[in-house]
Amino acid sequence: AQSVAQPEDQVNVAEGNPLTVKCTYSVSGNPYLFWYVQYPNRGLQFLLKYITGDNLVKGSYGFEAEFNKSQTSFHLKKPSALVSDSALYFCAVSSSSGTYKYIFGTGTRLKVLA
Amino acid sequence: DAGVIQSPRHEVTEMGQEVTLRCKPISGHDYLFWYRQTMMRGLELLIYFNNNVPIDDSGMPEDRFSAKMPNASFSTLKIQPSEPRDSAVYFCASTYGVSPLHFGNGTRLTVT
Repeated sequence: AQSVAQPEDQVNVAEGNPLTVKCTYSVSGNPYLFWYVQYPNRGLQFLLKYITGDNLVKGSYGFEAEFNKSQTSFHLKKPSALVSDSALYFCAVSSSSGTYKYIFGTGTRLKVLA
Repeated sequence: DAGVIQSPRHEVTEMGQEVTLRCKPISGHDYLFWYRQTMMRGLELLIYFNNNVPIDDSGMPEDRFSAKMPNASFSTLKIQPSEPRDSAVYFCASTYGVSPLHFGNGTRLTVT
């Protein structure tokens, strides 16, 4: 069965500092991994994805994520946080086996402090 | 591209009433997903369709919940009868193959 874990309910970081939001996953077959962001009263918006290829994936708004197969992790990173990055972040996984069922983690609230 | 369109945006109803949520996916997308978001349980997958056929409804909480996709441009999620614990934000999302999901803005359901 597929599963995704986001171990931190909330991450606080000072503006200008680097940020990391953690995600680990479990799937059968090759993983397809995604990060989404949610602002208040809105649907989720796609940030970046890993399907195959380079382990470091670059996405929207300066975000990037590193795929680590041995640790089954896909942590979201940004070198310099902005106050406007404050939002709810979700990691999601699908798989090459089966029928593209997308499972989401519980979400991590990122708070960037000015 | 108007995106995924959900209606209504807000629904307030009394316990025991029937509730129908609607979704229009992006044209050309062959997968459609229904999710429910609550503070306690996060984002739960309820059911998803491929080419209008339900693939996995194991996340549907009870027989009170049902979903249909009569054609490629429309899907409904129905709750009958509704209960206060069904209060949540319900999202519809669509995609093509393994591409990223496109989400609607959700329907906030309140059952009193």
